[in-house]
Amino acid sequence: TQLLEQSPQFLSIQEGENLTVYCNSSSVFSSLQWYRQEPGEGPVLLVTVVTGGEVKKLKRLTFQFGDARKDSSLHITAAQPGDTGLYLCAGAPLSGNTPLVFGKGTRLSVIA
Amino acid sequence: DAGITQSPRHKVTETGTPVTLRCHQTENHRYMYWYRQDPGHGLRLIHYSYGVKDTDKGEVSDGYSVSRSKTEDFLLTLESATSSQTSVYFCAISVQSLYGYTFGSGTRLTVV
Repeated sequence: TQLLEQSPQFLSIQEGENLTVYCNSSSVFSSLQWYRQEPGEGPVLLVTVVTGGEVKKLKRLTFQFGDARKDSSLHITAAQPGDTGLYLCAGAPLSGNTPLVFGKGTRLSVIA
Repeated sequence: DAGITQSPRHKVTETGTPVTLRCHQTENHRYMYWYRQDPGHGLRLIHYSYGVKDTDKGEVSDGYSVSRSKTEDFLLTLESATSSQTSVYFCAISVQSLYGYTFGSGTRLTVV
């Protein structure tokens, strides 16, 4: 069974601080995705990384896929209250169109 | 146009009664999924479909059945609801796991 471990589980920071969320596995994935979920809504796809070592930026969010395609990180610069939410990582297994493997999420609270 | 809609958004039902949740898509995506989300457990896959009348079990399929008679509709049925099935249920669609999912807004089900 493939697992994705996310850390930390909870994070509470002040507005303007930087933070990094990690997503780790012992398995190789064909892609790694990050989602953000707000209360009462479904997760929304933020980014997909496919190539080992790939870095993608989305405004103040930077996503990196590990060289071995087993791990990923999400870095937020100068966090804002609007960044508050549940961040989920998900890996697409190598074996065909098997469903995604999800981490349990990191709940981020940014305090103004 | 949301592309994916779930109904109902909220439901309260009594133990032992059958319940059907509906997921409808307008994207013509091949893959459809049902997840439940519970505190401490994250998203857990119940069942998924890879085509009309083609379905497979996920990690928490006991007590649930699904049907997909048309590309656009994926139904989740709780044959005899139990309190342990109180949860938030999400439907998702995809072209291919590699590129990520689009989630619905969820159905909050309470079994009393």
